[in-house]
Amino acid sequence: RKEVEQDPGPFNVPEGATVAFNCTYSNSASQSFFWYRQDCRKEPKLLMSVYSSGNEDGRFTAQLNRASQYISLLIRDSKLSDSATYLCVLGDKLVFGAGTILRVKS
Amino acid sequence: NAGVTQTPKFQVLKTGQSMTLQCAQDMNHEYMSWYRQDPGMGLRLIHYSVGAGITDQGEVPNGYNVSRSTTEDFPLRLLSAAPSQTSVYFCASRESRGAEAFFGQGTRLTVV
Repeated sequence: RKEVEQDPGPFNVPEGATVAFNCTYSNSASQSFFWYRQDCRKEPKLLMSVYSSGNEDGRFTAQLNRASQYISLLIRDSKLSDSATYLCVLGDKLVFGAGTILRVKS
Repeated sequence: NAGVTQTPKFQVLKTGQSMTLQCAQDMNHEYMSWYRQDPGMGLRLIHYSVGAGITDQGEVPNGYNVSRSTTEDFPLRLLSAAPSQTSVYFCASRESRGAEAFFGQGTRLTVV
């Protein structure tokens, strides 16, 4: 079983839509979690950390559910510029999921 | 603000050739890692280092060597290139375990 699993998508949504991605992890001892964003043929960049209490950064909300071992990312009011691959990351060993592709269309 | 610098950006090798991918960071980070990214596979860890003089294997280490003689530099050596090593290679550094990682711009390697 992979340490981190994500739905690869693609998620095709219209501008203004709300979209959510989930990611499951197998190591219950994992302590830190991140969402990274990767644009086509570019390096991954940190989108946001994921805290136990949940956290929000503008249109983006991240949640952690330790009991069920999943983390989520919610994007509200999607913009064309949100089109990218979103990577779920276990921060302790820096293990990456395969990514979820988001395409926002006008 | 250089951050993490990888060279070269592009490289074509013939099967059996050797080469070194360079990675340097100027943030005084202890942790450095090398990943390869193939379509649909995400980033897979090749080797990592938790400080100068300390390296360890990741998920896919075969065919690659690393060394860490200084905090700043973490070169990745391909010993005898094979077509299966055609990939995009990323170097990353971070201050500590569990901290945010910063990536270089990647090296696109083709082995023919």
